[in-house]
Amino acid sequence: DGGITQSPKYLFRKEGQNVTLSCEQNLNHDAMYWYRQDPGQGLRLIYYSQIVNDFQKGDIAEGYSVSREKKESFPLTVTSAQKNPTAFYLCASSMGRAGNTIYFGEGSWLTVV
Amino acid sequence: GENVEQHPSTLSVQEGDSAVIKCTYSDSASNYFPWYKQELGKRPQLIIDIRSNVGEKKDQRIAVTLNKTAKHFSLHITETQPEDSAVYFCAADQGGGADGLTFGKGTHLIIQP
Repeated sequence: DGGITQSPKYLFRKEGQNVTLSCEQNLNHDAMYWYRQDPGQGLRLIYYSQIVNDFQKGDIAEGYSVSREKKESFPLTVTSAQKNPTAFYLCASSMGRAGNTIYFGEGSWLTVV
Repeated sequence: GENVEQHPSTLSVQEGDSAVIKCTYSDSASNYFPWYKQELGKRPQLIIDIRSNVGEKKDQRIAVTLNKTAKHFSLHITETQPEDSAVYFCAADQGGGADGLTFGKGTHLIIQP
């Protein structure tokens, strides 16, 4: 768990702005993920990537974009098209392939003001 | 895709008593079922997991059971302690080789002194 670093921990965004959340891992994991958590709700998958330069949409990808230019990095951009972006965002990683343990970063709180 | 239902949403037990949280899943191809514990404002942390080739797994006061025929799995915590108070999430892999986990909506476990 300690090998996944998210920044910033707290972020305020004005309406109409794009913001980028950083996620870096030093676990040499192949797969990385972004989840969104709303109060009292479970975790919903936004995007995931199993290999460099490739990524797949999760259940709630609309209004978000990602890139995977390096194995250790998987930044998430919350665009102005995301109508309700206030949430807790969790980055995670795993060795990849179904059935491998997924470990989470400490999360980033995004608030729209 | 996979759908995971979790019950109850809130569970209050007396310290020292047992707690049971139940989950059902929809995709018969799912093979990996982890449980995460999340304290307020922190990241989810894996506490136990089970794979489809076993029916039960135990780790000290925590146990998980799996019934693949009925497509349900449960978390059992015995001799509950105040530090067990948290939100617990069950999850299932996507099945069919796809990556990522689908989470239940969580159970808020409250240990009454």
